[in-house]
Amino acid sequence: NAGVTQTPKFQVLKTGQSMTLQCAQDMNHEYMSWYRQDPGMGLRLIHYSVGAGITDQGEVPNGYNVSRSTTEDFPLRLLSAAPSQTSVYFCASSGGGYSGNTIYFGEGSWLTVV
Amino acid sequence: GQQVMQIPQYQHVQEGEDFTTYCNSSTTLSNIQWYKQRPGGHPVFLIQLVKSGEVKKQKRLTFQFGEAKKNSSLHITATQTTDVGTYFCAPSGGGKLIFGQGTELSVKP
Repeated sequence: NAGVTQTPKFQVLKTGQSMTLQCAQDMNHEYMSWYRQDPGMGLRLIHYSVGAGITDQGEVPNGYNVSRSTTEDFPLRLLSAAPSQTSVYFCASSGGGYSGNTIYFGEGSWLTVV
Repeated sequence: GQQVMQIPQYQHVQEGEDFTTYCNSSTTLSNIQWYKQRPGGHPVFLIQLVKSGEVKKQKRLTFQFGEAKKNSSLHITATQTTDVGTYFCAPSGGGKLIFGQGTELSVKP
């Protein structure tokens, strides 16, 4: 099993450009999430999904879109990148069911918006 | 929504000293998870606490869940340089995990 795979690992964008961060998991997990991590801010939840076709907003959803067409994939889209979106992004997945399942994280995507 | 406060934000210790980080919530939690993140790495699951007053140990790490299920702590005995990193608490539910701000631990050899 590869676990949770994020691509790209590093990306530099110009303000106003769009891009998609890819996230795939091969553990047949129902729950997937996107977080951003900024210095001194911990990890903040952007969007999450409890199954294919279902998504919901987290703590900081503005400027980001998600979709969940399959169980395996949960891409995060930046429609018009802003310097405030410079951050490290983590995708995570969980088996769901009884609350408190272990959540597995991808290795992160470092995004710089100039 | 669920929010947790974690203290301290930073802790610098001499190798061999003990370390404790605290996680406090204003609401009752159904469960809480603890994660460790090494510098430049991703969060890695350490443990989950579910029951009121629960205490779990992993070698030198001791995790506690308060009787009222509103607070939790992680205690490391005799820290080693391999303990360096940021420790996060996070209540979970429905696949959604909300993290505390974390405690960054540095260990001086």
